Amino acid sequence: DAGVIQSPRHEVTEMGQEVTLRCKPISGHNSLFWYRQTMMRGLELLIYFNNNVPIDDSGMPEDRFSAKMPNASFSTLKIQPSEPRDSAVYFCASSRRSGGAGTDTQYFGPGTRLTVL
Amino acid sequence: SQKIEQNSEALNIQEGKTATLTCNYTNYSPAYLQWYRQDPGRGPVFLLLIRENEKEKRKERLKVTFDTTLKQSLFHITASQPADSATYLCALDRGDSSYKLIFGSGTRLLVRP
Repeated sequence: DAGVIQSPRHEVTEMGQEVTLRCKPISGHNSLFWYRQTMMRGLELLIYFNNNVPIDDSGMPEDRFSAKMPNASFSTLKIQPSEPRDSAVYFCASSRRSGGAGTDTQYFGPGTRLTVL
Repeated sequence: SQKIEQNSEALNIQEGKTATLTCNYTNYSPAYLQWYRQDPGRGPVFLLLIRENEKEKRKERLKVTFDTTLKQSLFHITASQPADSATYLCALDRGDSSYKLIFGSGTRLLVRP
């Protein structure tokens, strides 16, 4: 199994530009999560999907952030326009929902390191 | 407000000793608690899960305890090795109907040879 795949691994962009992060979850997993990690705030949940449907996006910081999951094998997180404070590592994780979140093991991708200049 | 606290300072120990990491939480009633390991430049990797009705869980050299009265979990690595050096994150479910895991900020462990 290839695990969760994220692209790009690194992204450097200028303020105001659109950024699109991509994720391919593990085959057979029906839940997908987008997290952001910074030194100051740690690992924060932005949004999660179940069966391709967004369930909770309360962690999305602003309207500049949007996420989609058009099918079971692909999701995107878009930031438009990007700002320097968006600089962070963005992780995608997937799980096979069998019960509550606490029993579901989440498998994380390698992350995308985003730098907004 | 709900809060998860892990020691922000790195834990530095000698190889062969037992490492003990702490995870404290307030204003939660989690049914489950998980521990993850994160190496630099990589995503977190699941290690262990413990339920609220379990006092202790073991896996090879790892041991986790869960005290819902103290609102605390302890994570032990016995016979530590330099390869155990990493950041360890605890994560709790919210204890409600949501499917969210809330992560602590992690504690960095350094095992000296």
